Amino acid sequence: QSALTQPRSVSGSPGQSVTISCTGTASDVGGYDFVSWYQQHPGNAPKLLLYDVIKRPSGIPDRFSGSKSGNTASLTISGLQAEDAADYFCSSYAGHFSVFGGGTKVTVL
Amino acid sequence: QVQLRESGPGLMKPSETLSLTCSVSGFPINSGYYWAWIRQSPGGGLQWIASLYYTGFTTYQPSLKSRVTMSVDTSKDQFSLKLASVTAADTAVYYCARAVGSAPKYLDFWGQGIPVTVSS
Repeated sequence: QSALTQPRSVSGSPGQSVTISCTGTASDVGGYDFVSWYQQHPGNAPKLLLYDVIKRPSGIPDRFSGSKSGNTASLTISGLQAEDAADYFCSSYAGHFSVFGGGTKVTVL
Repeated sequence: QVQLRESGPGLMKPSETLSLTCSVSGFPINSGYYWAWIRQSPGGGLQWIASLYYTGFTTYQPSLKSRVTMSVDTSKDQFSLKLASVTAADTAVYYCARAVGSAPKYLDFWGQGIPVTVSS
């Protein structure tokens, strides 16, 4: 069982925005600003999308943005594109270990 | 560009010890980052297993700590994972990655992954 809770799936039409939530506790998401998000296409390794809640690695479009409120972090994909169809995982630092969410499948309608 | 590649057996029998190696290229393994193992179960969930610094300092997932050992060979730019007494529940794709922080704050470069099946 995953430590962080994500919706199993979200969907949107091209050009729309979708938001994925990631709910933890005060011991992980709520306790640290060290939430990261990963994108995984089928058959590929996860790819870092966001780190430290809001920061984007070089090469990641600004259509991907992050936020956090209390024990819940969120990933927003603006201007949804066909290539955004993938699984998305959140992760949080939790002191002496790291935890992941169960993953959210994004479908582009 | 940092590249990582996992190697090891794809099929294990229950109770055996799984040994995986990660070869790092494009970045020296002794340059200030941690190195980690993560696995992904057939159901899709990710689990951080352990992290290691080039000095040998290690941090382990509490639920796996009794069975896991990480080590490093800086002369070969490789690090390794040993998981003892495997069961079917250890069937997963195993990834190595570069990590920021001992209990990773994030993982910025990943290997392609190696599938491991535990079956009698």
